[in-house]
Amino acid sequence: ETGVTQSPTHLIKTRGQQVTLRCSSQSGHNTVSWYQQALGQGPQFIFQYYREEENGRGNFPPRFSGLQFPNYSSELNVNALELDDSALYLCASSSRGLAGELFFGEGSRLTVL
Amino acid sequence: AQKVTQAQTEISVVEKEDVTLDCVYETRDTTYYLFWYKQPPSGELVFLIRRNSFDEQNEISGRYSWNFQKSTSSFNFTITASQVVDSAVYFCALSEAYNQGGKLIFGQGTELSVKP
Repeated sequence: ETGVTQSPTHLIKTRGQQVTLRCSSQSGHNTVSWYQQALGQGPQFIFQYYREEENGRGNFPPRFSGLQFPNYSSELNVNALELDDSALYLCASSSRGLAGELFFGEGSRLTVL
Repeated sequence: AQKVTQAQTEISVVEKEDVTLDCVYETRDTTYYLFWYKQPPSGELVFLIRRNSFDEQNEISGRYSWNFQKSTSSFNFTITASQVVDSAVYFCALSEAYNQGGKLIFGQGTELSVKP
């Protein structure tokens, strides 16, 4: 069984740039969620994708957007990066109907300078 | 609004001590789910337990046990005979029942350090 994998693991960007983070979900899972975890904080829900459509969104501005592909993998895109976007971005996959049993990847650590 | 509070930011114990991590939640929903996740230094969160709001039975799994008390809106986690490998950040989380997937509200986390 393949777990959740994320890429890249680390990246550095400058303010105003754009970034794309990628996630491959666990085999058999059809739902992908993205979380932002600032240093020393708990993860905060960004959005969730099911069957290639956004299915729930947290309190994040529109410059945070995503995609889910037919194979259930996903991308998180962030435009016009700000310093406060520096965080660990976590992807989680799950099977619809099993609320909360999320399987997380190790995250992509983004630093915005 | 939903909220999860983990008042203990850091806890340090010596190996073999018992330790309890506190979690208090707020929700207006009558049906909801509560969770505990463990985050080791590698970063990924590891699912430990899910409990629905209608099931107030305490649960024990090896050295881990969970005490759910609806009357005090608490869902505390106890590790018995702690080990160095238990060192991690532990998160309590809450989910609405109708949420068919991944929206969890996490607490701030408790960093547990178990020293040999």
